[in-house]
Amino acid sequence: GQSLEQPSEVTAVEGAIVQINCTYQTSGFYGLSWYQQHDGGAPTFLSYNALDGLEETGRFSSFLSRSDSYGYLLLQELQMKDSASYFCAVPDTGRRALTFGSGTRLQVQP
Amino acid sequence: GAGVSQTPSNKVTEKGKYVELRCDPISGHTALYWYRQSLGQGPEFLIYFQGTGAADDSGLPNDRFFAVRPEGSVSTLKIQRTERGDSAVYLCASTADPRGGTGELFFGEGSRLTVL
Repeated sequence: GQSLEQPSEVTAVEGAIVQINCTYQTSGFYGLSWYQQHDGGAPTFLSYNALDGLEETGRFSSFLSRSDSYGYLLLQELQMKDSASYFCAVPDTGRRALTFGSGTRLQVQP
Repeated sequence: GAGVSQTPSNKVTEKGKYVELRCDPISGHTALYWYRQSLGQGPEFLIYFQGTGAADDSGLPNDRFFAVRPEGSVSTLKIQRTERGDSAVYLCASTADPRGGTGELFFGEGSRLTVL
């Protein structure tokens, strides 16, 4: 089966940079995804890494190291609206359903 | 609408009652998922449909839970003899091709179920 570990909570100040780590154990690897979820809202897709390295999308970047079974989400120039929960996720061995981590709650302070 | 729609947004019921939760996916998305999310946790997989058939129902916790998608579009999650432990947000998601590209899932805002 799959399992993912990420910190439960991270706090940072507006304008800063924050990194949210994720380590995973899978029986087969088909990529690492990141989702953002505001309180009471729907999870929304942020990024996907299938290969090692850094993927950049605006203020958000995501990194993957398959040899270390590790990835991270990097948020730059933090804004108050970035306060949310962030989940890493991996596909199951059939590449049909996603298994999610328990989430990292990010609090951005003024 | 353009997104995944779920109704009701909130449902309060009594222990032992029957509940139905509805999901209207994005038009054209053949893959549909149900997830359950408890407070402070990530979404937990329940069931996956490809078209009309349940391709994977391994996440359903027990036989009180059942889901259908008779015409390959709208899906209904049915919970019989509800228990207090069933209280959670039930999320629906859809995608055009789970094995293609990023496999991005498009989620609805969920149905919050409270069993008293």
